[in-house]
Amino acid sequence: GQNIDQPTEMTATEGAIVQINCTYQTSGFNGLFWYQQHAGEAPTFLSYNVLDGLEEKGRFSSFLSRSKGYSYLLLKELQMKDSASYLCAVGRGGYNKLIFGAGTRLAVHP
Amino acid sequence: SQTIHQWPATLVQPVGSPLSLECTVEGTSNPNLYWYRQAAGRGLQLLFYSVGIGQISSEVPQNLSASRPQDRQFILSSKKLLLSDSGFYLCAWSSGQDNSPLHFGNGTRLTVT
Repeated sequence: GQNIDQPTEMTATEGAIVQINCTYQTSGFNGLFWYQQHAGEAPTFLSYNVLDGLEEKGRFSSFLSRSKGYSYLLLKELQMKDSASYLCAVGRGGYNKLIFGAGTRLAVHP
Repeated sequence: SQTIHQWPATLVQPVGSPLSLECTVEGTSNPNLYWYRQAAGRGLQLLFYSVGIGQISSEVPQNLSASRPQDRQFILSSKKLLLSDSGFYLCAWSSGQDNSPLHFGNGTRLTVT
């Protein structure tokens, strides 16, 4: 089976850095994806890791360790608009099927 | 550029009534297509995926069915809705290349009363 765990809620201050962790157990691992979802809206793609290491994309970075079944999303210079849910998803098997965690709701305060 | 359209945005239906949600993709050919459901406070659950016209794979047993009558059209249906079918339904597409991300439509919020 598959299991994806991430914290339910986090809070942070505007301008700060926050790290959102994700651990997973799955068969047929085919990449680790991060999505952002504002309340009532569709998820939007943020980043993707298939090899171990850090991928940086502007204020957002994502890290993967396949041996540990672990990833994190790092958000720098937080802005109020970053308040949203962040979804960790694992690619499983073929056909780009993604299995999602329940998401981490991030609240950014002034 | 590619776009994905999903309608309606919101829907309120009585228990036992039929359902039809439609999704179309523009700007790409032979995409992989997906239907997900998101229950309140929970993660996205993959319901169906399709890699071509008429090819439908179901991930979980349920009260719903899917069809792909055209290359860029994906339809989610039910003959008789249950209360438990309430949720946020999201259609998505990918290019089909290995490790390509999914791109989601704006979703349909379904309330079964």
